[in-house]
Amino acid sequence: TQLLEQSPQFLSIQEGENLTVYCNSSSVFSSLQWYRQEPGEGPVLLVTVVTGGEVKKLKRLTFQFGDARKDSSLHITAAQPGDTGLYLCAGGFVTTDKLIFGTGTRLQVFP
Amino acid sequence: DAGVIQSPRHEVTEMGQEVTLRCKPISGHNSLFWYRQTMMRGLELLIYFNNNVPIDDSGMPEDRFSAKMPNASFSTLKIQPSEPRDSAVYFCASSPRTRSEQYFGPGTRLTVT
Repeated sequence: TQLLEQSPQFLSIQEGENLTVYCNSSSVFSSLQWYRQEPGEGPVLLVTVVTGGEVKKLKRLTFQFGDARKDSSLHITAAQPGDTGLYLCAGGFVTTDKLIFGTGTRLQVFP
Repeated sequence: DAGVIQSPRHEVTEMGQEVTLRCKPISGHNSLFWYRQTMMRGLELLIYFNNNVPIDDSGMPEDRFSAKMPNASFSTLKIQPSEPRDSAVYFCASSPRTRSEQYFGPGTRLTVT
């Protein structure tokens, strides 16, 4: 069974703090996507990384794909209350359209 | 441009009843996915279609679940008979091409009593 473990499961921080969320697997992925889901809504794509070692930045969010394409991290600088939500990583494969979603990290940023 | 549309947004039904969830994907997208999300199990893929054809239904829990995509703009997920353990949020997502990003609908919150 392919499994994507995310850590931490829950994170409560104050506005202005930095944080890192991790996504780990024993499987190799052809791509890794990060989504954010807000209450009552569906997940929304933030970024896709496809090359081992790739780093992408989206304003205060920095995404990295591991060299071996088995893991990824999401770093948020100076978190804001608007960053609150469920963060999901999802691994993709060359041979299928399926995505394997991670277990999720629920982030709460307090003002 | 309209996103993925799902209906109903909320459904409350009694055990044993038939439930039909509906999805309209984004126009021009050729892949459609049905997911179920619970606190315990997270986001699970139930089934997906390419060009209206079911490709992988290995995530469908049991024979009580069925899905159809009669045309490129409409899909249904049916549960018959429904059970309390089917209570979850069901999401439909569509994708513009193979192995690309997915666009999710707002979900249907199903409660089976």
